[in-house]
Amino acid sequence: GENVEQHPSTLSVQEGDSAVIKCTYSDSASNYFPWYKQELGKGPQLIIDIRSNVGEKKDQRIAVTLNKTAKHFSLHITETQPEDSAVYFCAARTTGGGNKLTFGTGTQLKVEL
Amino acid sequence: EAEVAQSPRYKITEKSQAVAFWCDPISGHATLYWYRQILGQGPELLVQFQDESVVDDSQLPKDRFSAERLKGVDSTLKIQPAELGDSAMYLCASSLAASYNEQFFGPGTRLTVL
Repeated sequence: GENVEQHPSTLSVQEGDSAVIKCTYSDSASNYFPWYKQELGKGPQLIIDIRSNVGEKKDQRIAVTLNKTAKHFSLHITETQPEDSAVYFCAARTTGGGNKLTFGTGTQLKVEL
Repeated sequence: EAEVAQSPRYKITEKSQAVAFWCDPISGHATLYWYRQILGQGPELLVQFQDESVVDDSQLPKDRFSAERLKGVDSTLKIQPAELGDSAMYLCASSLAASYNEQFFGPGTRLTVL
């Protein structure tokens, strides 16, 4: 089955700096890669996603890049703000898997003033 | 904005007791998922429904866990008997259909087994 690894497990940045979280996946058949933000006591919320036929996608301060050859994808947050502090999860979906998502282990992002 | 509803939000029980969690997906969403999230880890799929039918329950510990979605709308996840290792967050998610990418998550039920 699919295996998703995520790094780093914790990330601390100063407000206004950029943050990068990286994930690798094992199944070359995976075709959809979402990123979720989870705040304390809440369920994960989709913040951005990318399909395997696209190399990069941007939404305001958030961008995701995908390298299918290397089987890794990354989340980039620019101009970080305190409200960006949360746990971020990457995930991968395998073709034919009935939309089953395999999640990474999460990154605790802390944006310091 | 439509949301996935879950109850209860918190549940404390003793081992060997039975517990049940309820989920009401976004109206019109045919696909419903139950995930378990252990502290410090990502969610792991337990069971997936397409309408009232189970599509994937390969990771569901069937000796103690059961799930149903009788009318293809809301769903119940049951654990009987609960064990200490079942302490986790139980998340419900829904999507328009299995072929649609985006899954919308509810707030979860935090289970503590003593």
